[in-house]
Amino acid sequence: NAGVTQTPKFRVLKTGQSMTLLCAQDMNHEYMYWYRQDPGMGLRLIHYSVGEGTTAKGEVPDGYNVSRLKKQNFLLGLESAAPSQTSVYFCASTPVGGREEQPDTQYFGPGTRLTVL
Amino acid sequence: SQKIEQNSEALNIQEGKTATLTCNYTNYSPAYLQWYRQDPGRGPVFLLLIRENEKEKRKERLKVTFDTTLKQSLFHITASQPADSATYLCARRMDSSYKLIFGSGTRLLVRP
Repeated sequence: NAGVTQTPKFRVLKTGQSMTLLCAQDMNHEYMYWYRQDPGMGLRLIHYSVGEGTTAKGEVPDGYNVSRLKKQNFLLGLESAAPSQTSVYFCASTPVGGREEQPDTQYFGPGTRLTVL
Repeated sequence: SQKIEQNSEALNIQEGKTATLTCNYTNYSPAYLQWYRQDPGRGPVFLLLIRENEKEKRKERLKVTFDTTLKQSLFHITASQPADSATYLCARRMDSSYKLIFGSGTRLLVRP
C-alpha cells in the first residue's frame, strides 16, 4: 500500500514551458486535492475533485488545470509556467465520509518541488 | 471569510519541557479541528482531531484542547524530544464541504 505518490519529485522549468504533475493513490479515496505551499503562506488549495470525472476550483486556480479521468489519478497541469508558480506542490486524498473518529482526514503525498526560471 | 492563524515564529524549547502551540480561528466554530505534523521535504501527516464538544483529546504525549469561547485550540507535546522537531499545522473544515483550511504552521525546535 503506497498511499499517495507524486511524480516527479523535482522539476525546473523555463517561463512559458508546460508540464503535468501526476498524483496517484491506491486507497480507493473519492476526494483528491492539489495544494501549493509557499513560505509563510501555508497550504493553499488549487483544485480538487470529488470523484472520477469531476473537478472544481479551489482558492488559487489561475494558471492551472486538472483532470481526474481515473479514480486513482489526479493530474495538475501548467500550460505556460510563470516564476510565480515556483512552489512545492502537494497532492492529498480523503475517503468519502472518512472514518468516524477521523472525518475529513487528508492523506498527503511527498510533494513536488517546482522551480520556474 | 474563515481563517486559521498560527504563530509564525518558531518555538524553541529544551528537551523534556512541554511545547504548547496555538491555533486561532475566525467566524463560527468548526465542528472539529485537526492537527498535522510536517517534516522538512515531506507532506503533512495527520496527528489528532478534536470536536467542538470535546474540551480535550489525548494521544500518548500529545494533548489538544478546543475552546470555542476563545476560538482557539492548543496543541501540547509533553516530555518533548528532539525527534518532535517539525512544523505543526492546524486545519478546519471549510463550510460543509470536504475542503480544509490550513494554518501556515508553527515550527517547533527541541534542543537536546
